[in-house]
Amino acid sequence: QVNLQASGPGLVKPSEALSLTCTVSGGSIDTYYWTWIRQPPGKGLEWIGYIFSSGSTTYSPSLKSRVSMSVDTSANQFSLRLSSVTAADTALYFCARGGPGDLEFWGQGALVTVSS
Amino acid sequence: SYVLTQPPSVSEAPGKTAMITCGGDNIGRKSVHWYQQKAGQAPVLIIHFDSGRPSGIPERFSGSNSGNTATLTISRVEVGDEADYYCHVWDSSGDRAVFGGGTRLTVL
Repeated sequence: QVNLQASGPGLVKPSEALSLTCTVSGGSIDTYYWTWIRQPPGKGLEWIGYIFSSGSTTYSPSLKSRVSMSVDTSANQFSLRLSSVTAADTALYFCARGGPGDLEFWGQGALVTVSS
Repeated sequence: SYVLTQPPSVSEAPGKTAMITCGGDNIGRKSVHWYQQKAGQAPVLIIHFDSGRPSGIPERFSGSNSGNTATLTISRVEVGDEADYYCHVWDSSGDRAVFGGGTRLTVL
């Protein structure tokens, strides 16, 4: 069973960058797509983008100017960086295995609050 | 941009059949995936590629997709099925994934 765990600072100041890392265990990160999704409190799911194990990426058009993703195959991790955050970026951030198809495995999520 | 429309809520009695719809323009031409999210938990994939059931998902959960509507059907509904359900597709023209707004299933 593949397990994913998102981690990172739980509190980020407005205008700063949010950085999260997803650690994959129980399977290799190689040859798979890896996706970030977020969920504002009490709201639905929003797709952020995905990265392939080779490093190629596809981002949500609405977030593209602020998002970057990277992958570290040696550490079996992939990461998300979202710049210039505002209160609207406060959300539970999930990492999942999958890309343009289904999202087969999900991590528990990391809550990020944007506040001064 | 491509939009998926779900009813905000569905209610059904235990033992009955609940149906949750996901509407989208020619959604029948896309592959639809469904997720179940219980309170305080991460979503779980319950139906993929319109009607496939991942390992470990009960046969009570089934899916269909045709025309402008995809449907998640839950037979013999149980109290433990209370959750939010989301549909999800890949919009190839927009090169992005799209989620429906979610449907809360209440088991009366």
